[in-house]
Amino acid sequence: SQQGEEDPQALSIQEGENATMNCSYKTSINNLQWYRQNSGRGLVHLILIRSNEREKHSGRLRVTLDTSKKSSSLLITASRAADTASYFCATDDTGNQFYFGTGTSLTVIP
Amino acid sequence: EPEVTQTPSHQVTQMGQEVILRCVPISNHLYFYWYRQILGQKVEFLVSFYNNEISEKSEIFDDQFSVERPDGSNFTLKIRSTKLEDSAMYFCAILGSIGEAFFGQGTRLTVV
Repeated sequence: SQQGEEDPQALSIQEGENATMNCSYKTSINNLQWYRQNSGRGLVHLILIRSNEREKHSGRLRVTLDTSKKSSSLLITASRAADTASYFCATDDTGNQFYFGTGTSLTVIP
Repeated sequence: EPEVTQTPSHQVTQMGQEVILRCVPISNHLYFYWYRQILGQKVEFLVSFYNNEISEKSEIFDDQFSVERPDGSNFTLKIRSTKLEDSAMYFCAILGSIGEAFFGQGTRLTVV
């Protein structure tokens, strides 16, 4: 199975702190994406990193990818209460099918 | 970011009834997906649809499921005879220009 697994399952931090979530996957990928999901809502695309990239930034988000370890991390800097959500990684292979992990539930305490 | 609209936002149906979930991408896209998420569980792939044909489907996508693009814009998922275990959020997605997937807000299906 290609599915990613996020770690930790749940994370609780104070506003202003940084939040780091990790994702591991099993087979070769084309790219890896991170999504946010607020409770009961849709999936919002955050950032895509290709298999030949090692790091990518978007605003307060920083994503790293280590294909040798088959892992990725998502760092949210200077967290805000509005960042409270579940975060999922999704990988795809050449088939353009996306495989989602189980998600990390992030709670940012004001 | 392309906009994907799903209707209805919430559907309650009796077991055994047929339901049709609709997805309307605002711009022209060739690649569509349906995913589902049972409450508290991971997002699961159902089917991908490319150029008006099914491209890939998962084991979940059995004979009671079908997809269509009846009028060239709407993209529908039909469940012929719903079961209690079909209760879930169903998400439509389109493939973006760099390989990212853009999802709709989902349809919450409740089978009673």
